[in-house]
Amino acid sequence: EVQLVESGGGLVQPGRSLRLSCAASGFTFYDYALHWVRQVPGKGLEWVSGISWNSGNTGYADSVKGRFTISRDNAKNSLYLQMNNLRPEDTAFYYCGKDKGDYGDFGGYFDLWGRGTLVTVSS
Amino acid sequence: DIVMTQSPDSLAVSLGERATINCKSSQSVLHSSNNKNYLAWYQQKPGQPPKLLFYWASARESGVPNRFSGSGSGTDFTLTISGLQAEDVAVYYCQQYYSRLSWTFGQGTKVEIK
Repeated sequence: EVQLVESGGGLVQPGRSLRLSCAASGFTFYDYALHWVRQVPGKGLEWVSGISWNSGNTGYADSVKGRFTISRDNAKNSLYLQMNNLRPEDTAFYYCGKDKGDYGDFGGYFDLWGRGTLVTVSS
Repeated sequence: DIVMTQSPDSLAVSLGERATINCKSSQSVLHSSNNKNYLAWYQQKPGQPPKLLFYWASARESGVPNRFSGSGSGTDFTLTISGLQAEDVAVYYCQQYYSRLSWTFGQGTKVEIK
């Protein structure tokens, strides 16, 4: 089955760190760029970060730049998001998304999404 | 950043009737090099992740019913559901991917049954 499964969310205090993981299956993982997109419960979607097939290109939303780091392990079919210095405004569902673009580069639109993992930043 | 604005925020449509959702970008997302509009549409049902419906503004993703159509160019786009079905109740989002590594979504439009 073609799927993405996120894990690692939870309740964390402001200023602390958390690492999210996304396990992929059912497709050739290293052929595609991948992303993290977040959604405050009941609100809209915000692109957070993306990484190309070979980790050669990465990008971040201004709201997380300098605090979050995206990475991937093609041998393990896994995507990661290291989140440091978390803020209450980072509270959201975090979705892993597969880019539909060609040749492992960024197309910028997402044809497969995981079910998300909830990150709650609160004291 | 390119700001995407959808209208209306919500709409209620009778079963079998047409639903029309508009999306406006703060700058053109039509790329002159390939004459393509860098615009996607997603459907998000309650408790589920988003699902890609259209890319390049009007290219239907595999498995999307024909009652859904995407149109528009430049800064103005429309998602139309011709003959609303109960399973179409969802929030719909447009997204621009013109601005590389600075992709943005509209605020969403909630579609309900009247």
